[in-house]
Amino acid sequence: GENVGLHLPTLSVQEGDNSIINCAYSNSASDYFIWYKQESGKGPQFIIDIRSNMDKRQGQRVTVLLNKTVKHLSLQIAATQPGDSAVYFCAENRPISSGSARQLTFGSGTQLTVLP
Amino acid sequence: EAQVTQNPRYLITVTGKKLTVTCSQNMNHEYMSWYRQDPGLGLRQIYYSMNVEVTDKGDVPEGYKVSRKEKRNFPLILESPSPNQTSLYFCASSSQRGRNYGYTFGSGTRLTVV
Repeated sequence: GENVGLHLPTLSVQEGDNSIINCAYSNSASDYFIWYKQESGKGPQFIIDIRSNMDKRQGQRVTVLLNKTVKHLSLQIAATQPGDSAVYFCAENRPISSGSARQLTFGSGTQLTVLP
Repeated sequence: EAQVTQNPRYLITVTGKKLTVTCSQNMNHEYMSWYRQDPGLGLRQIYYSMNVEVTDKGDVPEGYKVSRKEKRNFPLILESPSPNQTSLYFCASSSQRGRNYGYTFGSGTRLTVV
């Protein structure tokens, strides 16, 4: 299944299929991107990150792709499992002054539902 | 265990009654931040702190105060809560040093203002 970002905030996939969650970011100065998973009643949890000098990074069953040209991120989850059901947020991190201050800005999230 | 601890988890209060939500981290992180989460709006930053005695406004600071007197604590203060501050609040911390800028989040505080 594939989501086209903020216009489709829900994504349903069959157990065992691959999931693709998309995210568009807004600021060209963002140089670090993170995907978070938020399960019901819990705070967001780090899944995977990627720096702007990379276009792909792989973790365990997850892959993040970054396309800086069109300011687009995607999260791919292989062999989606029931435990993957959650809201997924992308976040962009960027410097906000000449010092060391940085700001993390979140997208509005995508609800992933894994169907048995 | 490395964690961010928020208290309380749930709070119902009345308009105008001052309240404080506490946040504490045990990772010696310099950076701490408060977010509110509302349906369809994702997480929006309220205030952040780069280090002790250094705080700054985020995207939605109106109606909130913070303080950072110690490195581990970053309380969120609502001097005169209003119903539009009913929300789910998250505290987060991060080490700004090193390669990883990822945040660790608390479990959240669900606030209802009636």
